[in-house]
Amino acid sequence: TQLLEQSPQFLSIQEGENLTVYCNSSSVFSSLQWYRQEPGEGPVLLVTVVTGGEVKKLKRLTFQFGDARKDSSLHITAAQPGDTGLYLCAGYSPHAGNMLTFGGGTRLMVKP
Amino acid sequence: SAVISQKPSRDICQRGTSLTIQCQVDSQVTMMFWYRQQPGQSLTLIATANQGSEATYESGFVIDKFPISRPNLTFSTLTVSNMSPEDSSIYLCSVEGFRDGEFTSSSGNTIYFGEGSWLTVV
Repeated sequence: TQLLEQSPQFLSIQEGENLTVYCNSSSVFSSLQWYRQEPGEGPVLLVTVVTGGEVKKLKRLTFQFGDARKDSSLHITAAQPGDTGLYLCAGYSPHAGNMLTFGGGTRLMVKP
Repeated sequence: SAVISQKPSRDICQRGTSLTIQCQVDSQVTMMFWYRQQPGQSLTLIATANQGSEATYESGFVIDKFPISRPNLTFSTLTVSNMSPEDSSIYLCSVEGFRDGEFTSSSGNTIYFGEGSWLTVV
């Protein structure tokens, strides 16, 4: 069982649709980060959330950190083919020796 | 953010051989890490590369299989020894650093990744 559970694992949608990716844990995290990884490249940081209840927006992407700092979500509005990629949540938790722990990833495909 | 360069970016290796991956950072960083990403999977931490001392390995990873060097604050190497097809993965170097001067968390900074070294063992 992973410390961070991501859902869904796979998502295939049409351009223009909205979607939400979830990252859940039974443990408290001091911070959570979201990365996007495109084929042939390393993960690229999208955002870091550190405060319970925090909401951050990055253009069409909205990130939320749960009040209890155990979960996070990524919402994409009007998805575009350029959003296609692997989305990874990762966080620091005392339960993981304060090392960065990754979720299993959500593979998103946006069809034109 | 730090610029991280990895070499080789891609290689096809014969079973039983060893390959050393290099990671060069454009600025001095305290923490450097090595991750493995198996095909279609998420990232798994192999070890923390410590400058001037032995690397700290995570459960399931041992020094004999993945020897790591960290001679200074800008460079590290990971060797994948006696490779088998199961070692076919992306190996990623990462560093911990500030993002635009902002300290991002109380227990850890932001992690930045290199573009990875794609190894295929045949």
